Amino acid sequence: DADVTQTPRNRITKTGKRIMLECSQTKGHDRMYWYRQDPGLGLRLIYYSFDVKDINKGEISDGYSVSRQAQAKFSLSLESAIPNQTALYFCATSDTLYQETQYFGPGTRLLVL
Amino acid sequence: GDSVTQMEGPVTLSEEAFLTINCTYTATGYPSLFWYVQYPGEGLQLLLKATKADDKGSNKGFEATYRKETTSFHLEKGSVQVSDSAVYFCALKLSGAGSYQLTFGKGTKLSVIP
Repeated sequence: DADVTQTPRNRITKTGKRIMLECSQTKGHDRMYWYRQDPGLGLRLIYYSFDVKDINKGEISDGYSVSRQAQAKFSLSLESAIPNQTALYFCATSDTLYQETQYFGPGTRLLVL
Repeated sequence: GDSVTQMEGPVTLSEEAFLTINCTYTATGYPSLFWYVQYPGEGLQLLLKATKADDKGSNKGFEATYRKETTSFHLEKGSVQVSDSAVYFCALKLSGAGSYQLTFGKGTKLSVIP
């Protein structure tokens, strides 16, 4: 089984709808991250969490919110989706002690119409 | 701010050709440097890394050397295979206990044809 899983893998929604993307990990890592990937722009950090009680904004957090329900679960919400949030979203984890390497989930492809 | 610049793609090579993907960085401190690879339909995977100047990272036939004097971390492979077709991302992370963020380049798409 994959260490970092994301659900759903693909989602189509309409402008104004609320949508939640979920991430679960079995690596036992305390740090979790949400990125979005846009063609030609690389990956940009949306939110990150160092533990259940520590959540921080990344460089592009506007329009997004997150919830760290447990050490293993980190959800990303779009309260009112808009078309320019159409992107590929990745969850990642890292260990505090060996924080050099981040481990990525398979991604969620989101289309906002 | 910190940034990573990598050569624009797409890059198309024939099987067994030599590969170089250039990566240069700007950082205020002494970063660790990474190459991540994204195969079609998958998430990013760490390919190799180097944590200090003159270190060489290597994996699966790929190599990159941390060059502080030229602020570069170019990815090379002597003989590419069709299975190497993917998007390659150069990234940096500042060192230190408080550092957490990976800064990525825009990615370089590699296509290897038989």
